[in-house]
Amino acid sequence: DAVMTQSPLSLPVTLGQPASISCRSSQSLVRSDGNTYVSWFQQRPGQSPRRLIYKVSNRDSGVPDRFSGSGSGTDFTLKISRVEAEDVGVYYCMQGSQRPLTFGGGTKVEIK
Amino acid sequence: VQLVESGGGLVKPGGSLRLSCAASGFPFSTYTMNWVRQAPGKGLEWVSSISSNSVAIYYADSVKGRFTFSRDNAQNTLYLQMNSLRAEDTAVYYCTSAYGGYWGQGTLVTVSS
Repeated sequence: DAVMTQSPLSLPVTLGQPASISCRSSQSLVRSDGNTYVSWFQQRPGQSPRRLIYKVSNRDSGVPDRFSGSGSGTDFTLKISRVEAEDVGVYYCMQGSQRPLTFGGGTKVEIK
Repeated sequence: VQLVESGGGLVKPGGSLRLSCAASGFPFSTYTMNWVRQAPGKGLEWVSSISSNSVAIYYADSVKGRFTFSRDNAQNTLYLQMNSLRAEDTAVYYCTSAYGGYWGQGTLVTVSS
């Protein structure tokens, strides 16, 4: 199984400042079709997860452009250019390139 | 788009539950679908996937042989039959689309004596 290792576990951020979350896979996530199926999810307190990014760098509809995804192979990053209060929550990476689907352990973003 | 799970509740160890997920607002019959669970205070764990035509079904090792995933494309509904439940199956169960674009609100399953 592709193990997804996220860091940091906790990320205190000042409002208006950038934030970056890393996700590293134990195996290359480039699928045979040439695509890399890495997604990022935001889970606000008491809510279901919401997908922000799919296939490494594509923003879902309605996702603010302060969120961006990047990476390749085994290393992936989610960046928030300027953190806002509504960004508080836990962020997860997920790979869908291999079975089984696997998730990172989560990064809790909080305001300093 | 809506995914609405139901069927959760309190069950004793060794018991059974059947979860349902009603889908609307997207071409359900063309989508691979998943169940993903989240134990209290913990992260997300994939449970099972089913292809659009039910030909391919996959399970996490932790539930293989105990859970059965099925779908009814005429009714736009997913089902998760959960047997031989254990305390470690306690979680909120979400139905999701293939790569997580759509999620339901979740249904809580509690396994306790």
